[in-house]
Amino acid sequence: AQSVSQHNHHVILSEAASLELGCNYSYGGTVNLFWYVQYPGQHLQLLLKYFSGDPLVKGIKGFEAEFIKSKFSFNLRKPSVQWSDTAEYFCAVNAGTASKLTFGTGTRLQVTL
Amino acid sequence: GAGVSQTPSNKVTEKGKYVELRCDPISGHTALYWYRQSLGQGPEFLIYFQGTGAADDSGLPNDRFFAVRPEGSVSTLKIQRTERGDSAVYLCASSSSSGTGGWTQYFGPGTRLTVL
Repeated sequence: AQSVSQHNHHVILSEAASLELGCNYSYGGTVNLFWYVQYPGQHLQLLLKYFSGDPLVKGIKGFEAEFIKSKFSFNLRKPSVQWSDTAEYFCAVNAGTASKLTFGTGTRLQVTL
Repeated sequence: GAGVSQTPSNKVTEKGKYVELRCDPISGHTALYWYRQSLGQGPEFLIYFQGTGAADDSGLPNDRFFAVRPEGSVSTLKIQRTERGDSAVYLCASSSSSGTGGWTQYFGPGTRLTVL
């Protein structure tokens, strides 16, 4: 069975600080990896995804993530956060094609001015 | 439509009652998924349809939960004899293999179910 761990439950940063959110997964086969974001009062939106190829993937709003297969990790990064990045961030994995997503418990990011 | 839509946005019911939650996927998406999200948790998988058939229903918690997708588009999640523990946000997502999306799941706004 798949599982996803997000180590940081609540992160508080000042604007312009750098961000790294951890995500580790447990699954023995080929995986697809995702980061979704949920802004206050809005629905889940796709931030970025990794299917294959270059392990460094770039998403919307300046976010990027690196897949490190040997560490079963897919950490999310942003060099300089903005107040508008305040949201909940979810890492998710599936076993390919159209299968179900397994989500982590989420990280709440609060960016202060 | 432009995105996944779900109705109602909020549903309050009494313990023991029956509820139906509706999901309208992105036009042309063949795969449809239901998830449940409790406070402070990530979404948990319930069931997934490919076309009209349930391809994976391993996440349904018990036989009070049932979902249909009779024409391969709109889906209804049905909960019988609701319990207070069923209170959560029920999310629907859809995906397809076409384009560069490659089965990426796109989520609707959810239905917040409260069982009193």
